[in-house]
This record gives sequence, structure tokens and C-alpha cells, in this order.
Amino acid sequence: NAGVTQTPKFQVLKTGQSMTLQCAQDMNHEYMSWYRQDPGMGLRLIHYSVGAGITDQGEVPNGYNVSRSTTEDFPLRLLSAAPSQTSVYFCASSYGRQTYEQYFGPGTRLTVT
Amino acid sequence: GENVEQHPSTLSVQEGDSAVIKCTYSDSASNYFPWYKQELGKGPQLIIDIRSNVGEKKDQRIAVTLNKTAKHFSLHITETQPEDSAVYFCAASMDSGYSTLTFGKGTMLLVSP
Repeated sequence: NAGVTQTPKFQVLKTGQSMTLQCAQDMNHEYMSWYRQDPGMGLRLIHYSVGAGITDQGEVPNGYNVSRSTTEDFPLRLLSAAPSQTSVYFCASSYGRQTYEQYFGPGTRLTVT
Repeated sequence: GENVEQHPSTLSVQEGDSAVIKCTYSDSASNYFPWYKQELGKGPQLIIDIRSNVGEKKDQRIAVTLNKTAKHFSLHITETQPEDSAVYFCAASMDSGYSTLTFGKGTMLLVSP
């Protein structure tokens, strides 16, 4: 199993550009999440999904959209990138609820200029 | 919502010493407390977790203690080794369908040979 994969690993955007961060898992996990990690801020939840077709907002959802059309994929869309969205983004999946082990991907480092 | 405070933000120890990282949480309904280790350039990985029905859990050189009355929990690493150097995150959650994990801001542990 590849586990949780994320693409791209690095990305540089200009302010106002849009892009999609890809996340896929091959463990048949129902629960998937997106986090951002900023220095001194820990991991903050952006959006999460408890199954295909079901998504909900986390702590910092503004400026991001998600959808979950399949169990395997959970893309994160930046609609109009802003410098404040410069961060490292992690996708995670788990078998069930948040009280099951979260499996994190390797991360995407995004810089918005 | 839940708020998790983590201390210290950095911790330097000599190889062979013990290391202790402490977290407090605000929501008395939280009942699941995992610890994640993040090595440089990688996603976080679960190292140990504890649920509210136990006060202590051990796994080889690592242990976690929980005081529900005081709403704090701690990670203890004994006989530290250079490979223990990483960022450690505590987190808290309720065991319910739509509950989410709230992470502390992280502790950078440096173990010097």
C-alpha cells in the first residue's frame, strides 16, 4: 500500500491564482482531513470528510474548498491564493472517527508571492 | 471549542536523559488524547494514545499519563536517543461522529549525543 499520497510536493503561486492540492489514500479509509502547519501554530484543521459526498469545515476553512466524490480522493482547492495561505499542507486519513489513528501524507509546501 | 496548550515549545536534553512534554485541554468532554511525532520533512506519525478510562499507558521507552480532573496529560520519554529528535504534538478529541482533533502547537525535542 502507498498509504496517503499528496501532490505536488512543492508549489509556488502568485497572488490571485487558483490551484488544487491532490490527496489520495489506498487504505479504504472513510475519514479524510486537510491540515495546514505554520511555524508556532501547530496543525490546524481546514476541512474534513466522514465519507464520500460528505464534507464539513474545520477551524480555518476560509479561502479553501473541498469535495469528496470517491472514498480514495480528497482534493483541496485554493480559489484565489493569498500570501496568508503560504504554509505546509497535510492530508490525513483514518479508518473511522478522529479517535482512530490518523495517517498523514508527506505534505505539500505552498508559497504564495 | 477545544483548546490545547502544550509546553515547552523547545526541549533540549542529553542522550540518556528523560524528556517530559505537558499538555492541558479545556473541554472536559474530550476523552481521546494522542501524541504524534513529526520528523523533519515528513508528516506526523502516531506514537501513542490514551483514552479517558485509563490513567497511564506505556510502550517501551514512551509513556503517557492522563489526569482528567486537572485536564492535563503528559508524554514521558526515557533513555532518550538522538533519533528521538523531532517535533511532538499532543491532541485531544471526543469520541463522537463529527468530533475533530485539536492539536497543541508542538514541542521541538533535541537530543544531543
